[in-house]
Amino acid sequence: AQTVTQSQPEMSVQEAETVTLSCTYDTSESDYYLFWYKQPPSRQMILVIRQEAYKQQNATENRFSVNFQKAAKSFSLKISDSQLGDAAMYFCAYRSLPSSGTYKYIFGTGTRLKVLA
Amino acid sequence: DSGVTQTPKHLITATGQRVTLRCSPRSGDLSVYWYQQSLDQGLQFLIQYYNGEERAKGNILERFSAQQFPDLHSELNLSSLELGDSALYFCASSVDLAGTLHFGPGTRLTVT
Repeated sequence: AQTVTQSQPEMSVQEAETVTLSCTYDTSESDYYLFWYKQPPSRQMILVIRQEAYKQQNATENRFSVNFQKAAKSFSLKISDSQLGDAAMYFCAYRSLPSSGTYKYIFGTGTRLKVLA
Repeated sequence: DSGVTQTPKHLITATGQRVTLRCSPRSGDLSVYWYQQSLDQGLQFLIQYYNGEERAKGNILERFSAQQFPDLHSELNLSSLELGDSALYFCASSVDLAGTLHFGPGTRLTVT
């Protein structure tokens, strides 16, 4: 069964600095999707970024980018020029392809990011 | 705004009672997921529907049930409620079985 591990329960970053959140996963599948979701204090779950495993190029969305290392089964999120509004819980998630017969998203336990002014 | 709506936003009820949470997916989305998030915890997958059919089941208690209707909205029924059922319940939708999840704002359930 697939698992997702976020080993950093909490991280802090100074405003305008860069921070990297770690995520590792375990799977025997060769193709899948990976996601980062943000949950601010409002508790709304917001999609930050998505990566298809078959794509070697790392996904980027404005100040957010990922470092996808397929062989190492690592999927870290880099936030550049951190802003106070980035303070949130960040969840890493794994998704199998439908062809695998499973349809569940598997979420990590989350990393709480604090942004210091 | 993700386009996924959930009602009610807040629900306070007593132990032993039964409640129904409602979710309307984004326009065009066929798949609906339900997740439970207890305070400061991760997301626990409950159940998934696709075009009216159950497609995947997670750690859903027997006291809980769900369905997806022909108009694609979904309801999660929680019965014989216990204090430990207090949580934020999220609905999410995706266009198909491979689509990205888009979450609703959640229903905060408090059991007293």
